[in-house]
Amino acid sequence: GAGVSQTPSNKVTEKGKYVELRCDPISGHTALYWYRQSLGQGPEFLIYFQGTGAADDSGLPNDRFFAVRPEGSVSTLKIQRTERGDSAVYLCASSPQGRGGTNEQFFGPGTRLTVL
Amino acid sequence: KQEVTQIPAALSVPEGENLVLNCSFTDSAIYNLQWFRQDPGKGLTSLLLIQSSQREQTSGRLNASLDKSSGRSTLYIAASQPGDSATYLCAVNVYQLIWGAGTKLIIKP
Repeated sequence: GAGVSQTPSNKVTEKGKYVELRCDPISGHTALYWYRQSLGQGPEFLIYFQGTGAADDSGLPNDRFFAVRPEGSVSTLKIQRTERGDSAVYLCASSPQGRGGTNEQFFGPGTRLTVL
Repeated sequence: KQEVTQIPAALSVPEGENLVLNCSFTDSAIYNLQWFRQDPGKGLTSLLLIQSSQREQTSGRLNASLDKSSGRSTLYIAASQPGDSATYLCAVNVYQLIWGAGTKLIIKP
């Protein structure tokens, strides 16, 4: 079956602009995670959805970042007033269930965001 | 606070050697631990997942061990090949994944 997909694969934008990054999880997976990976580092947790609700958004760096998952499937990560420091690869993962945690997380290919 | 450390940060070895990559974590309260491979400019490939109740997992030339009490995991690669060159990341699952910074591995032909 299809894996996790993310669009776009690459996004170049100018400082101050608004961007949306999309994630399509594996069908039937209730848990969805967003991570961010800066160059030369491991990924860092941003936000976790269980169904439609954001169960943990403690990793979002500031209020310019927001994510939604209105129907419990596709999720969109939204970044307002982008800054050069937002440049990174944004990774999405899904798993069959959420907290409770023996489940493997399956990753999409990522969106590479470059803010000029 | 859970922290994950990978040593060494980079490793270069001749083809054919067996090698060990190390991962340590500070809090033993984990659900599982995963090893990933990442090629330059590419996404993550999951290699092995070890549940907290397990001691090791094997896949082909790869063997991963887990010692929760000491907060350590190792990834053993047998008979290394140039195609194994990549960055290897470990992550502990505390429901979200907490990641190390990775070991960049270069296998010289």
